[in-house]
Amino acid sequence: DIQMTQSPSSLSASVGDRVTITCQASQDISNYLNWYQQKPGKAPKLLIYDASNLETGVPSRFSGSGSGTDFTFTISSLQPEDIATYYCQQYDNLQYTFGQGTKLEIK
Amino acid sequence: QVQLVQSGAEVKKPGASVKVSCKVSGYTLTELSMHWVRQAPGKGLEWMGGFDPEDGETIYAQKFQGRVTMTEDTSTDTAYMELSSLRSEDTAVYYCATGAGYAFDIWGQGTMVTVSS
Repeated sequence: DIQMTQSPSSLSASVGDRVTITCQASQDISNYLNWYQQKPGKAPKLLIYDASNLETGVPSRFSGSGSGTDFTFTISSLQPEDIATYYCQQYDNLQYTFGQGTKLEIK
Repeated sequence: QVQLVQSGAEVKKPGASVKVSCKVSGYTLTELSMHWVRQAPGKGLEWMGGFDPEDGETIYAQKFQGRVTMTEDTSTDTAYMELSSLRSEDTAVYYCATGAGYAFDIWGQGTMVTVSS
């Protein structure tokens, strides 16, 4: 099975900062990589699908890039409402795997 | 617009089974590929299995093979996830989720399953 290594596990940043989270797959997954936001007590919300496509209704400050094994998720200007835990998720060969998550806090 | 409404919280003893339901509205279940994801308290997301439309079969994560069964009742547009031989480590929130392609853009509200003697 493919392993996903997401980093960092936690991150503290200030409002307006550019925030970057990375996810590395143990083998080539093409662009089958999605990003989710989860707030406490809530179900995850899809933000980015197929590595770089912004889900409808998601603010444009969120973006994703990468292919193969290395992927990046970026918030261009952190807002207070972006405080959450973020997960990457991959699909390959009938199996899905989530990254370990990145807990984002306001400094 | 698709909505997924799950059954209520459950408390089970070790060794028992639990069956969680996920009612679909806005679409029919046959139009969707339903998956199940769980989250232990304070932990990350864990995919358990789901329907693969390319071969028309349900696929399970290796970790849960033999212990989980996912079924569908198309007459009521309800999906079910049954987990057997429960142990304390199965205490978690269980979500149903669906979406186009290989991403999950619609989620149920979650069902808390507590395993305790």
